[in-house]
Amino acid sequence: DTGVSQDPRHKITKRGQNVTFRCDPISEHNRLYWYRQTLGQGPEFLTYFQNEAQLEKSRLLSDRFSAERPKGSFSTLEIQRTEQGDSAMYLCASSLVGGGAYEQYFGPGTRLTVT
Amino acid sequence: AQSVTQLGSHVSVSEGALVLLRCNYSSSVPPYLFWYVQYPNQGLQLLLKYTSAATLVKGINGFEAEFKKSETSFHLTKPSAHMSDAAEYFCAVRINTGNQFYFGTGTSLTVIP
Repeated sequence: DTGVSQDPRHKITKRGQNVTFRCDPISEHNRLYWYRQTLGQGPEFLTYFQNEAQLEKSRLLSDRFSAERPKGSFSTLEIQRTEQGDSAMYLCASSLVGGGAYEQYFGPGTRLTVT
Repeated sequence: AQSVTQLGSHVSVSEGALVLLRCNYSSSVPPYLFWYVQYPNQGLQLLLKYTSAATLVKGINGFEAEFKKSETSFHLTKPSAHMSDAAEYFCAVRINTGNQFYFGTGTSLTVIP
């Protein structure tokens, strides 16, 4: 069990550019979540996948955001035409659904700075 | 609707003193409740979880929390604070029929030597 990994850890981009983040969940976990966290706030839900299916999206997820999990393993989160308001920590979490509380295990996050 | 309220965005305690971080939840159905800790520039680490078994839950690093349905609370405690406990703490709720986790706004714990 190597835990949830995210890449890159930090990304600085200019407004209007596109960025893509990657998340590798714990290998046997079938559910994967994306969150956004701004300074002084708790994580805010963006979207989640069960295997390769994207089952729910938050209203926070504008049309500029898209997420994929093509083979039910790793996931990518893309932000198009970035805005300064997109600056935040993007967290990925995974869980194993099949009984119990489905606690989530988080990766270290990708910190995005839009200049 | 589900939500979590963490009273006190900043808590300071002396090393060796009791740690008490407050969390109240709102849920119309039985919830699952969690406490996570976050160190600077890191992701969240699970401290403990309540899953409708024992109301007093023990977690890692000497932390524990008690589920009180009558008070809709799930406060986090530790008998004796260590310097290494300084971090941000988040309470989260998930209802047992839902998929989303709802996080509180966090409590920053400072430990004074």
